[in-house]
Amino acid sequence: EVRLVESGGGLVQPGGSLRLSCVASGFTFSNYAMAWVRRAPGMGLEWVSGISFGGGSTHDADSVKGRFTISRDNSNNTLFLQMDSLRAEDTAVYYCAKLPIPYTVASYFDYWGQGILVTVSS
Amino acid sequence: ETVMTQSPATLSVSPGEKATLSCRASQSVATNLAWYQQKPGQAPRLLIYDASTRATGIPARFSGSGSGTEFTLTISSLQSEDFAVYSCQQYNNWPQTFGQGTKVEI
Repeated sequence: EVRLVESGGGLVQPGGSLRLSCVASGFTFSNYAMAWVRRAPGMGLEWVSGISFGGGSTHDADSVKGRFTISRDNSNNTLFLQMDSLRAEDTAVYYCAKLPIPYTVASYFDYWGQGILVTVSS
Repeated sequence: ETVMTQSPATLSVSPGEKATLSCRASQSVATNLAWYQQKPGQAPRLLIYDASTRATGIPARFSGSGSGTEFTLTISSLQSEDFAVYSCQQYNNWPQTFGQGTKVEI
């Protein structure tokens, strides 16, 4: 059974930083691209960042470019999202998601975590 | 970017009835479209990909159709566990984008 478990969320002030983690199990983590997707209150889902199977290729949405960094540790089956210079509009539930392919081309997501809440507020 | 518009925003249906959800793309996405189901506090679940292919373990009462800019998700006979929010996503154009969702309620 595929499992994706996020952690690291919470309340942070504008301009602050947080690091999200996602531990994967039930599949060969190092064979697949991964992504972070978020849902802000009352809004639809928004793709945030993606990373290829080996970590050599990453892509970010324009809304987070230069502020968020996606990375992965294949030896520990863990995906990360380093979030810096956080803004109120980054408040959302963040989901870790698996792609069915190794590369970060546009794709659907075949498995998702339950999500972790990030609140940016003073 | 490709804007995905779902309608209606809320669909009120009785158990056993058929539900038809629509998703429209601002430009062609061929058949590179997925549908997801999400219940409160749960992970999104992939239902349909490539516009009409059911994901692993998805019951046959869920079906998808369409191509280009117009897509439909049909739930043939609603079960109690089907009341949820349904989102469409295109992955033909970069970046992949999602619709706002349709809430299916009793």
